[in-house]
Order: sequence, then structure tokens, then C-alpha cells
Amino acid sequence: IAGITQAPTSQILAAGRRMTLRCTQDMRHNAMYWYRQDLGLGLRLIHYSNTAGTTGKGEVPDGYSVSRANTDDFPLTLASAVPSQTSVYFCASSRTSASTDTQYFGPGTRLTVL
Amino acid sequence: GQNIDQPTEMTATEGAIVQINCTYQTSGFNGLFWYQQHAGEAPTFLSYNVLDGLEEKGRFSSFLSRSKGYSYLLLKELQMKDSASYLCAVMDSNYQLIWGAGTKLIIKP
Repeated sequence: IAGITQAPTSQILAAGRRMTLRCTQDMRHNAMYWYRQDLGLGLRLIHYSNTAGTTGKGEVPDGYSVSRANTDDFPLTLASAVPSQTSVYFCASSRTSASTDTQYFGPGTRLTVL
Repeated sequence: GQNIDQPTEMTATEGAIVQINCTYQTSGFNGLFWYQQHAGEAPTFLSYNVLDGLEEKGRFSSFLSRSKGYSYLLLKELQMKDSASYLCAVMDSNYQLIWGAGTKLIIKP
């Protein structure tokens, strides 16, 4: 399957629990991104990785961590979930982090923290 | 701060033309993107502008004026399947995309 997959599709989580959202791409893209999308707000960048082995913080990184052990996978972890982390999470990838390279998005994970 | 403004919602008629505007104030500019997002789905790429002027791609065109911090997306011969949200995003000096909240386009028969 070509493209980006995310798991789970949706999840309801109790506050305080740890959760890892998975993201895998098979396009051999170097750059990967995690965004959250909330009603009335634009997509906001949480963390990014320009290449395997490196990660960086985006606009809203607090409460989230990422790792990039290989090219294909870019998991996002919520160490101790809080209700404000209720959102739709999108993973994206691009060939490189250059401005001319389009970002392609996964189908998203809808997360509810109670 | 960085800001992307676009109308929250627009309504148009099937077969007509609609223009969705986007104004931006960002720290640096490395290009402007338009994405389409159907309800419950992922955003998909529509267009990219980095130089002033009009880029045409089938029924969709995108215009950029860097001096005015302004872009628009023009959709012609509207079809019901064009009902979606249209997201404007600017790549800033850190090569990160700054996103507008999106314009929900409603197409009426």
C-alpha cells in the first residue's frame, strides 16, 4: 500500500494514561510531521523530523514526544494524557523538508481524552 | 506573531465560480499552499505558489501577491464534490507550514 497509515483510527483514553499514535509511510520520504487539528483552528505542528535520527519541536510540543528510529516510522507519544489533548491527529510526510516538496497526509487519528 | 486569515464559510451554486481569499503575516515566506479537506478526511494538496501570479490547474487556479500578503483560490464550474474545506498554508522562514483555519465551501444545486 502506497502512502501513509496511522493507527488507531480513533481512541477514547482516560486522563493520565500513556498513549502512542503510530504512523508509517512507504514512500521513502525523509521528512515527517505530526499535526493536531481542532475545530476553528488551523493545523498546528507538534513535532517534526527532517530525516531519520533527528527530531524537532513545532508550535505545540508540550506533553508530546516523538522518535524517528528509521525512515518509515514516526510514532507520537502522549506520556500522560490530558483532556486538552482531545483532537484529531494527522501524520504527514514529504520527500524532503524543502519548501517545494508537498506534504502528504495520513487519514488521521481521532483521540478523545476523558 | 504569525497569522493566516481566510473566511470561515462560503456558499456557492453548482456550475458557478467561487474565489476563496487568504491573507497572511508570517516570519519569512517560502511559498503558499492550498489544500482541500473533505469532512472526516485528510487534507490533500491542491496548489503551490512561490512567485507572484496565477497558477492554473484544470478547474482550480491559485494567485499570489507577495507584496500584499495575499492569495486566492479560484474554483470554476463548481461541482457538488467540491463541497469541502479549503486550507491556506504558508511556509515560514523555518520551513514550517503555518495554517489558516480553513474555509468551508458549501455548494448548492
